[in-house]
Amino acid sequence: NAGVTQTPKFRILKIGQSMTLQCTQDMNHNYMYWYRQDPGMGLKLIYYSVGAGITDKGEVPNGYNVSRSTTEDFPLRLELAAPSQTSVYFCASSYSRGGWGVGNQPQHFGDGTRLSIL
Amino acid sequence: GQQVMQIPQYQHVQEGEDFTTYCNSSTTLSNIQWYKQRPGGHPVFLIQLVKSGEVKKQKRLTFQFGEAKKNSSLHITATQTTDVGTYFCAGPYSGGYQKVTFGTGTKLQVIP
Repeated sequence: NAGVTQTPKFRILKIGQSMTLQCTQDMNHNYMYWYRQDPGMGLKLIYYSVGAGITDKGEVPNGYNVSRSTTEDFPLRLELAAPSQTSVYFCASSYSRGGWGVGNQPQHFGDGTRLSIL
Repeated sequence: GQQVMQIPQYQHVQEGEDFTTYCNSSTTLSNIQWYKQRPGGHPVFLIQLVKSGEVKKQKRLTFQFGEAKKNSSLHITATQTTDVGTYFCAGPYSGGYQKVTFGTGTKLQVIP
């Protein structure tokens, strides 16, 4: 199993450009997440998905969009890139047999995409 | 909103010394997870604690969940250079459903 795979690993964008960060997992996990990590800081949740066709906002969703058409893929879309979106983006996945009260399951992270917007 | 704070923010230790990081939540947690992130790497899950007062050990690492389930600690005995990295705790998001709020992290530097 490859686990969680993110592409690209590095990218430089100009202000106002758009791009899609790809994330795919082969563990048949139902939950997937997108985080951003600014230099020297913790992880902030951007969006998450509890299954194909279902997505919801996290703490910092502004400027981003997601879709989840399959269990495996969870792309993150940046529209009109801004310097404040310079960050490292991590995709993660986990498996849950149920909803609230079951308990959090370990998250498996991809290697990240290092994005600079100039 | 829910906050998960960690102290200290940074810690430099001599190789062989012990290290402890503390995690404090503004709300009671049903469980807590710990992750390690090596420099330039991604977070890797270490352990999950569920019960009040629970203590778990992984070789030189000891994890503890407070009696009130609002705090946790990670203690490393006799640090090695391989322990270098940032340690994050993570607690269930107030909205539930498999989301977690990550702590601010403690960056550990081990001086050989």
